[in-house]
Amino acid sequence: GQQLNQSPQSMFIQEGEDVSMNCTSSSIFNTWLWYKQDPGEGPVLLIALYKAGELTSNGRLTAQFGITRKDSFLNISASIPSDVGIYFCAGRRPGGYNKLIFGAGTRLAVHP
Amino acid sequence: DARVTQTPRHKVTEMGQEVTMRCQPILGHNTVFWYRQTMMQGLELLAYFRNRAPLDDSGMPKDRFSAEMPDATLATLKIQPSEPRDSAVYFCASGLGQGVLETQYFGPGTRLLVL
Repeated sequence: GQQLNQSPQSMFIQEGEDVSMNCTSSSIFNTWLWYKQDPGEGPVLLIALYKAGELTSNGRLTAQFGITRKDSFLNISASIPSDVGIYFCAGRRPGGYNKLIFGAGTRLAVHP
Repeated sequence: DARVTQTPRHKVTEMGQEVTMRCQPILGHNTVFWYRQTMMQGLELLAYFRNRAPLDDSGMPKDRFSAEMPDATLATLKIQPSEPRDSAVYFCASGLGQGVLETQYFGPGTRLLVL
């Protein structure tokens, strides 16, 4: 089962609104990744974070590696209908080779 | 546009039958991962290969599941015999083996339904 707490589980917003979601863990991570999954497809990498405090943007998406190394945040600004999907955080623990631990996902719905 | 490919995309089978899922990692990638996704458990790692050698299959039910890499361009996941509880989406992912800097690229998945 998951060892990451991802919230919220789901969001229903109006087009143009900003979105925030986060993942927390009881243990530290040395990598945080954010993926998006469209229906019927595999997860697609959005942003990768490798250092505590790192803030990285990809278009309208911005993600941050928490300073405590136990959390990460993803923000989407000015949402559009194609942002609909499930967003997953994934983390890699020190000594965990390449193994990723995934959150349960945040399901995003955008109303035009 | 390099992508991970998986076949078949969909599979419906009866309990007890053998199921084989195939994955072609991105050319040049030397790590391959098999995941299972269900509503209840989310994404779970089943097996991990580096340079075709299995490094971790602790997430895989050993009695019925097996994973192999016959060559660098093909990874297989077999279930024999299949059971209804194996119904899930199975994803293959590949990476460049860069340690903590590595990112994993997912295929489109095989949707398995065992009746």
